[in-house]
Amino acid sequence: GAGVSQSPRYKVTKRGQDVALRCDPISGHVSLYWYRQALGQGPEFLTYFNYEAQQDKSGLPNDRFSAERPEGSISTLTIQRTEQRDSAMYRCASSLAGASGEKLFFGSGTQLSVL
Amino acid sequence: GESVGLHLPTLSVQEGDNSIINCAYSNSASDYFIWYKQESGKGPQFIIDIRSNMDKRQGQRVTVLLNKTVKHLSLQIAATQPGDSAVYFCAENIVGAQKLVFGQGTRLTINP
Repeated sequence: GAGVSQSPRYKVTKRGQDVALRCDPISGHVSLYWYRQALGQGPEFLTYFNYEAQQDKSGLPNDRFSAERPEGSISTLTIQRTEQRDSAMYRCASSLAGASGEKLFFGSGTQLSVL
Repeated sequence: GESVGLHLPTLSVQEGDNSIINCAYSNSASDYFIWYKQESGKGPQFIIDIRSNMDKRQGQRVTVLLNKTVKHLSLQIAATQPGDSAVYFCAENIVGAQKLVFGQGTRLTINP
């Protein structure tokens, strides 16, 4: 596609439910990143992939968070047993070459609200 | 993380004036720096980047300055326009680590 696409745009869920957030990166981009952004703050790194391989998941807050990119394109971020503190904007980004020091292209995000 | 809460530093400038947004980065091993613009309800949008072997880079109406001695980055916007109103974030990439670490944003508001 022309840009990074994320779905759903908004997700409201009840505490304890599992949610899956989807990201479709720019076609041909090697790297895919997940960030979380709280209101009024900068994006906070969660994890990233080069092709289908998860290279760094050091930013995932706990083991309720997981991500996959099985075919090296679309990625899913899953949050199990959601808690209210998980409420935030979740942003996906992609970059072209899978190298250190590249600009990232961000999607519009998924706004998650846990009630 | 880098975040300091809901209160963003704010810079107010007159339309047509030049704007200078500053950022202090944290890691002397960072080798790549980037500025993003984020408008309300949208994702961060790339403005300009610079590598650590440079101290200045110019784009269209924007200039980024890098001072590695004091770990300081600035974004200069010439002839600020209403469309420049947004939150601006700097980010750094630590050498060998393939991820951007974002700093605190600055809200730029334009006075007519």
